[in-house]
Amino acid sequence: AQKITQTQPGMFVQEKEAVTLDCTYDTSDPSYGLFWYKQPSSGEMIFLIYQGSYDQQNATEGRYSLNFQKARKSANLVISASQLGDSAMYFCAMRERISGGYQKVTFGTGTKLQVIP
Amino acid sequence: GAGVSQSPRYKVAKRGQDVALRCDPISGHVSLFWYQQALGQGPEFLTYFQNEAQLDKSGLPSDRFFAERPEGSVSTLKIQRTQQEDSAVYLCASSWMGANVLTFGAGSRLTVL
Repeated sequence: AQKITQTQPGMFVQEKEAVTLDCTYDTSDPSYGLFWYKQPSSGEMIFLIYQGSYDQQNATEGRYSLNFQKARKSANLVISASQLGDSAMYFCAMRERISGGYQKVTFGTGTKLQVIP
Repeated sequence: GAGVSQSPRYKVAKRGQDVALRCDPISGHVSLFWYQQALGQGPEFLTYFQNEAQLDKSGLPSDRFFAERPEGSVSTLKIQRTQQEDSAVYLCASSWMGANVLTFGAGSRLTVL
């Protein structure tokens, strides 16, 4: 079973509009964390936002917010006021403790976001 | 250094050659991950080090892949007898123990002809 599922291979959004990128996850670890990373065409992985499983409030970082719905096991990324520079691949990832006793980080397959002028 | 450094950035190998990819993590970072990223795909876990101990190598695709971190800092991913399907970007990431952020290097792009 997939640990992280991103069902949108590609998304388009008009400049200045908001967009939501979907992510669902599966884990039996009660203390896990969820990340979003951005990967522009240049290839570097840029950390955007983090949500811990026990955090009471949804994480926000500037124009990025994470819509965390624990019961539904979803951690959607919301980008407000999209900019042309937001065009990139976006990856959802999860940190969970596994039987080896360490915290493994697993990534989804990504969503390619294109911002239209 | 200020960031995670990977070398070489680009490597072209003939099928059957051995390659070695280096990762120099941020000083003091205990955790080190290697990932393989095929074109248009997400990073796939290869292996994990905590200091010098390799705690998980379950993602290594075959026994041609080998990783080490002998002194708990620099790590090397070695691929023996490279095959065309090994062509990918190899990403290294490091963090403090239990940190909420992984810092990635720029990656090493391997092309096997």
